[in-house]
Amino acid sequence: RKEVEQDPGPFNVPEGATVAFNCTYSNSASQSFFWYRQDCRKEPKLLMSVYSSGNEDGRFTAQLNRASQYISLLIRDSKLSDSATYLCVVIPNTGGFKTIFGAGTRLFVKA
Amino acid sequence: NAGVTQTPKFQVLKTGQSMTLQCAQDMNHEYMSWYRQDPGMGLRLIHYSVGAGITDQGEVPNGYNVSRSTTEDFPLRLLSAAPSQTSVYFCASSLERGGPTDTQYFGPGTRLTVL
Repeated sequence: RKEVEQDPGPFNVPEGATVAFNCTYSNSASQSFFWYRQDCRKEPKLLMSVYSSGNEDGRFTAQLNRASQYISLLIRDSKLSDSATYLCVVIPNTGGFKTIFGAGTRLFVKA
Repeated sequence: NAGVTQTPKFQVLKTGQSMTLQCAQDMNHEYMSWYRQDPGMGLRLIHYSVGAGITDQGEVPNGYNVSRSTTEDFPLRLLSAAPSQTSVYFCASSLERGGPTDTQYFGPGTRLTVL
């Protein structure tokens, strides 16, 4: 089983739609959680950290469910510019330098 | 600030050749990493550094060497290229490590093909 799993998609949604992605992780001692965005043939960039209490940044909402070991990303009022791959990132509480990246979920927003 | 820069952007090697991928950052970050990204897989850590003079192996270190003589530079050396090393390579740096404010800044990547 992969340490971090994401539905690869693609998710095809119309502009203005609400779309949600989940990401499951296997290490219950995981410490920190993030969503990164990666545009086609570009580098990943931090979208938002995921806090235990959940957090929102404009149209984006991230949630953490430690009991079920998953994080989620909700995008409201999708824009064409939201088309990208969304990477789930988990840092386990094992010390060292381990950072686990999911393979990503592809989103296409259509006009 | 230029952020994290990588050179070259593209490279084609023949099996057995060696080369160095360059990475530099101007944000005075202590932590730097090299990742490779392959289709259908998440980024995998090759080597990392927690400061000048200190490096360690990540998840997939075989076939690669690194050094960190300055805070700014973190080159990755391929010792004897193999087709399995065909990938996109990203260098990243961060100011902190492990907490919720641990933001990794990535370079634009190097697309490497080994024939």
